[in-house]
Amino acid sequence: QQQVKQSPQSLIVQKGGISIINCAYENTAFDYFPWYQQFPGKGPALLIAIRPDVSEKKEGRFTISFNKSAKQFSLHIMDSQPGDSATYFCAAGSGGYQKVTFGTGTKLQVIP
Amino acid sequence: DAGVTQSPTHLIKTRGQQVTLRCSPKSGHDTVSWYQQALGQGPQFIFQYYEEEERQRGNFPDRFSGHQFPNYSSELNVNALLLGDSALYLCASSTYGTGESPLHFGNGTRLTVT
Repeated sequence: QQQVKQSPQSLIVQKGGISIINCAYENTAFDYFPWYQQFPGKGPALLIAIRPDVSEKKEGRFTISFNKSAKQFSLHIMDSQPGDSATYFCAAGSGGYQKVTFGTGTKLQVIP
Repeated sequence: DAGVTQSPTHLIKTRGQQVTLRCSPKSGHDTVSWYQQALGQGPQFIFQYYEEEERQRGNFPDRFSGHQFPNYSSELNVNALLLGDSALYLCASSTYGTGESPLHFGNGTRLTVT
């Protein structure tokens, strides 16, 4: 049972462009929605996170948009750079955020 | 400030064997969670340890077991290995209790079962 669905599976964006990754969840008990970035050979690293009481959160070039009624959230990477090339995972958690359910990942490639 | 450290980095085992993976949490963290990441997939929650007890468990068989030591470090044991157990095993540490305590992941142990 896939509780967090993520799309697209892969994404190619030109340098300076906007990268957009979408996720949808089913379990309304989720109350914490982090995004993780993973480089090859490394573990996932927290990028940005949001709680459902806000509709948007921005940190630098990274923005999460959250639609509670649609049970959807997305990551926007503005002015995408080649160094942003990595796999991005959306995730959802509840109950103190200790157990997190991950999406299937989006492999982002930013070309010069 | 040392982050989460895992050992070994790579491991090759044969079907039916048993394996033990080790994790030291980030300084100041008291909770360890283990995740399995199959190739091309997102990490899947195995279980979480706090105060040397298993607090939550994901949908994994009893062949997967763990332990947490008084210094908060942890082990993941897998018995009767199957080919399907081949994956990257990730350890994540955090602080237990209320409030937002994001997971800090190690770089994982790559297990190959032949």
